[in-house]
Amino acid sequence: DAKTTQPTSMDCAEGRAANLPCNHSTISGNEYVYWYRQIHSQGPQYIIHGLKNNETNEMASLIITEDRKSSTLILPHATLRDTAVYYCIVFSGANNLFFGTGTRLTVIP
Amino acid sequence: KAGVTQTPRYLIKTRGQQVTLSCSPISGHRSVSWYQQTPGQGLQFLFEYFSETQRNKGNFPGRFSGRQFSNSRSEMNVSTLELGDSALYLCASSLELATVGIQYFGAGTRLSVL
Repeated sequence: DAKTTQPTSMDCAEGRAANLPCNHSTISGNEYVYWYRQIHSQGPQYIIHGLKNNETNEMASLIITEDRKSSTLILPHATLRDTAVYYCIVFSGANNLFFGTGTRLTVIP
Repeated sequence: KAGVTQTPRYLIKTRGQQVTLSCSPISGHRSVSWYQQTPGQGLQFLFEYFSETQRNKGNFPGRFSGRQFSNSRSEMNVSTLELGDSALYLCASSLELATVGIQYFGAGTRLSVL
């Protein structure tokens, strides 16, 4: 089953780009990479997902390496409201809806 | 469009009791998934219901059960509560199965077992 590994925590200065890495070396060809975030005391919020091409939406950009073994979520101009836990997930089959513990991003003023 | 609604927001129970949590999905969504979140454990998947049928199940004991009604609303039940069941319980709805669709989460029900 595909599994992801993320750093436990990261800091980013307000206004700078936040780059959150994720390794998913066992990902299969048809599995998407999803990113969610959870702001304290709220339910997780969907950010973006991708298969093999880079993706961008109003919240973030997702860069997936050519071999698909890793990806990076980019928040282009981090604000204090982006302080949250960020989850990188690969849903590998019906019984593996595993979010893990994610990366705690702290945006510093 | 209204989001995912979970009730109640907070619950206090004692060991041995049972509890029922409720989740109303976004209108039109047929999948409801339940998760348990405890400090240090991340979000752990409990089960998923799609069109009133349980489609996926995580690694939790049989004390944890659920059901889904014809209007897609779902309930989760925990019997014989243990102290370790204290957690934030989150539900998420999606148009398709949770493994292929975007999930929209509710604010959760915080359960404290004393």
